[in-house]
Amino acid sequence: DSGVTQTPKHLITATGQRVTLRCSPRSGDLSVYWYQQSLDQGLQFLIQYYNGEERAKGNILERFSAQQFPDLHSELNLSSLELGDSALYFCASSVQAGGRNEQFFGPGTRLTVL
Amino acid sequence: DQQVKQNSPSLSVQEGRISILNCDYTNSMFDYFLWYKKYPAEGPTFLISISSIKDKNEDGRFTVFLNKSAKHLSLHIVPSQPGDSAVYFCAASAELTSGTYKYIFGTGTRLKVLA
Repeated sequence: DSGVTQTPKHLITATGQRVTLRCSPRSGDLSVYWYQQSLDQGLQFLIQYYNGEERAKGNILERFSAQQFPDLHSELNLSSLELGDSALYFCASSVQAGGRNEQFFGPGTRLTVL
Repeated sequence: DQQVKQNSPSLSVQEGRISILNCDYTNSMFDYFLWYKKYPAEGPTFLISISSIKDKNEDGRFTVFLNKSAKHLSLHIVPSQPGDSAVYFCAASAELTSGTYKYIFGTGTRLKVLA
């Protein structure tokens, strides 16, 4: 158990809908990262927050947005969903913001768009 | 443009032998590299890392080698054990500006250690 929690574990929805994925980082970690893993793909880095502020942006679509709240939990919002958005979405956390920090990953949310 | 490449999608190794997983990168900005291991239905877990100022880092059965001139790193597992069977991801990071970073993961190599 990494100490990072993600809810829900599974989510099934229809095209055009909007969903919110939630992540609680490890106690004491200030940085949260979101990743997407599609079938047979590596982990695509989406976005990073550190203590409520955006710190890095990867290949995140404009239909997707995220935020980190004062209690440090984070939410990833996916809107106008398409079939291709079906994937595993991982959240990770680390103590600091830098790339030299080991990231602790949650178990992931599996999103299925029908 | 895949900046971090793991060209072998899978690898099978006999128990007790050495497993060598390879990773190539294209961007010389990357200055820190990490390996993560992932079991099915779980998130990735950190294994070992190396800074670009070093060429080797060892932790028990796991050793990572970095060849900066070739933009290549490898993970050696000796001796391999059946419990090492998992997908291994190579990751690279770079500091873009003060306080902002870039993170790229490879596509992973599925290691199977045969008993």
